Amino acid sequence: QVQLQESGPGLVKPSETLSLTCTVAGGSISSHYWSWIRQPPGKGLEWIGYIYHNGRTNYNPSLKSRVAISLDTSKVQFSLKLSSVTAADTAVYYCARDATGLGGWFDPWGQGTLVTVSS
Amino acid sequence: DIAMTQSPDSLTVSLGERATINCKSSRSVLSSSNNKNYLTWYQQKPGQPPKVLIYWASTRESGVPDRFSGSGSGTDFTLAISSLQAEDVAVYYCQQYYDPPYTFGQGTKLEI
Repeated sequence: QVQLQESGPGLVKPSETLSLTCTVAGGSISSHYWSWIRQPPGKGLEWIGYIYHNGRTNYNPSLKSRVAISLDTSKVQFSLKLSSVTAADTAVYYCARDATGLGGWFDPWGQGTLVTVSS
Repeated sequence: DIAMTQSPDSLTVSLGERATINCKSSRSVLSSSNNKNYLTWYQQKPGQPPKVLIYWASTRESGVPDRFSGSGSGTDFTLAISSLQAEDVAVYYCQQYYDPPYTFGQGTKLEI
């Protein structure tokens, strides 16, 4: 059973770059779509983007100019970089995989990691 | 982008009663190629990631109690809980996976 775990700094200063890694356990990263999703405290869910196993990416237009998602198949990890962060980027960040390998709903999800943007 | 709008924002239902949550998409999420609706429902409890309840608008995920059901097609969808249990207290989200950017409804908070 595939399990995902996010890791990275819990505090980032305004204008800096947020960097998170998702480690995949119990499965290969050489298939499926791998996504990042975020949830500001007390608010709803926002899809940030995905990377396909072949390296193709698709980002939410609302964040596209600041986002980069990459894949490291040797480490069975994928990563998120979000540049020029502000307080509005404070959120729980989740990594997730599509359920079918053909795109679709998200399952499984990581437990999430809270990132706070503050000086 | 396909906008997803849920109603109501919050709902209070008695134990054993029926709960109904609606989700409307700004354009159809029904594929003409396979006649499937690209719509899923999640349940989220505090401090946890969302959990899939329903996909393809009406297919129950394995292990999900049969009191949960999904219906609808095109732009209008419903999640129903036939007999509310205490453990069903949560926030429920719909999400379309028809077209990126994938989008979620704003959530419906279900209380007893």
